[in-house]
Amino acid sequence: EADIYQTPRYLVIGTGKKITLECSQTMGHDKMYWYQQDPGMELHLIHYSYGVNSTEKGDLSSESTVSRIRTEHFPLTLESARPSHTSQYLCASSESGRTDTQYFGPGTRLTVL
Amino acid sequence: SQQGEEDPQALSIQEGENATMNCSYKTSINNLQWYRQNSGRGLVHLILIRSNEREKHSGRLRVTLDTSKKSSSLLITASRAADTASYFCATAGFQKLVFGTGTRLLVSP
Repeated sequence: EADIYQTPRYLVIGTGKKITLECSQTMGHDKMYWYQQDPGMELHLIHYSYGVNSTEKGDLSSESTVSRIRTEHFPLTLESARPSHTSQYLCASSESGRTDTQYFGPGTRLTVL
Repeated sequence: SQQGEEDPQALSIQEGENATMNCSYKTSINNLQWYRQNSGRGLVHLILIRSNEREKHSGRLRVTLDTSKKSSSLLITASRAADTASYFCATAGFQKLVFGTGTRLLVSP
């Protein structure tokens, strides 16, 4: 089991609320990622980071933002949640190197009413 | 985009049968990886095959890679109900890992 954690596991909130999804890893990995995935569908990369103070947008445009102040921590924030943000959010990390094997957290299932 | 396309999208078999999933990609790669995802969970890395390898085994898993055809296959032998999950290929090139569209496998007792 990978040492990467996500909280909360499930979140149901109303439209307009600000939320932060937490992701932490204890493996000392430099690279971290956020994916969005609808049930039974493919993964879409929305943000990634290659180290502290480094963040980039992914392939799928997202209204969320991320920060990387500490190596182990990569939170994702939605300033004003909408029903279209309802999805599963997966966090992953990998160490620098050529294999790029990623280790995933259990995910956060977000429902915006 | 070098996103992998997986085939079939869904596969339903009986316990004890073999399951084969295929992945095609578009550009040069350093390695190709297979991941498994149980319903509602994160992905778990299964096996990695490098671009200079043609076949790799891990337990009941067998992966092949044909770089001339830009394709890979994952074979699960003697499947079990616990193998029911989605399986994703992912290609590692000169940029970040790119995941395929996934194959949903259902193994019935």
